[in-house]
Amino acid sequence: EIVMTQSPATLSVSPGERATLSCRASQSVSSNLAWYQQKPGQAPRLLIYGASTRATGIPARFSGSGSGTEFTLTISSLQSEDFAVYYCQQYNNWYTFGQGTKLEIK
Amino acid sequence: EVQLVQSGAEVKKPGESLKISCEGSGYTFNIYWIGWVRQMPGKGLEWMGIIYPGDSDTTYSPSFQGQVTISADKSISTAYVQWSSLKASDTAMYYCVRSGGGMVRGVIDYWGQGTLVTVSS
Repeated sequence: EIVMTQSPATLSVSPGERATLSCRASQSVSSNLAWYQQKPGQAPRLLIYGASTRATGIPARFSGSGSGTEFTLTISSLQSEDFAVYYCQQYNNWYTFGQGTKLEIK
Repeated sequence: EVQLVQSGAEVKKPGESLKISCEGSGYTFNIYWIGWVRQMPGKGLEWMGIIYPGDSDTTYSPSFQGQVTISADKSISTAYVQWSSLKASDTAMYYCVRSGGGMVRGVIDYWGQGTLVTVSS
């Protein structure tokens, strides 16, 4: 099974600043990597797939990069509604999620 | 509008059986994969398995193989996950999800609202 490891577990950032979240795969997943956002009491929603393609309706401040085993989600200027838990997920070999990064207000 | 509407919350005792459902609407149900994702209290997301309603082709995560049964009835655009004998450790929120095929199989573009299953004596 491919293990996905996200870092940090918690990230404290001020509104308006940039947030950088990392995701590492235990073996190459090519570009078969997605990112999801989950707010308390809600189902997750798709942000990014194919490592860097924004899903429909996702603001341009969200961007993804990376391939192989190292991936990054960047939120360029944090808005209040962006504080949430973020999960990466590989879909190259079955499907596995990372454990999540909680993005909190500093 | 694409919607996945799941059945309501359940409270069960250990050893009981359970079947929860997910009805898809607003799209052609047969041609998209439907998966189930577990989220235990305060924890992360886990894929359980996925089914193609068109021909009922099903794949399970190794962790869930033999623990649950996933099925679909394309005539009523509904997918199911069932347990024959629940355990306390099955207490979780269960999400029904839609995924495309081909290169994006496994990418979840729509989520149901979740079904909370509580197993307690």
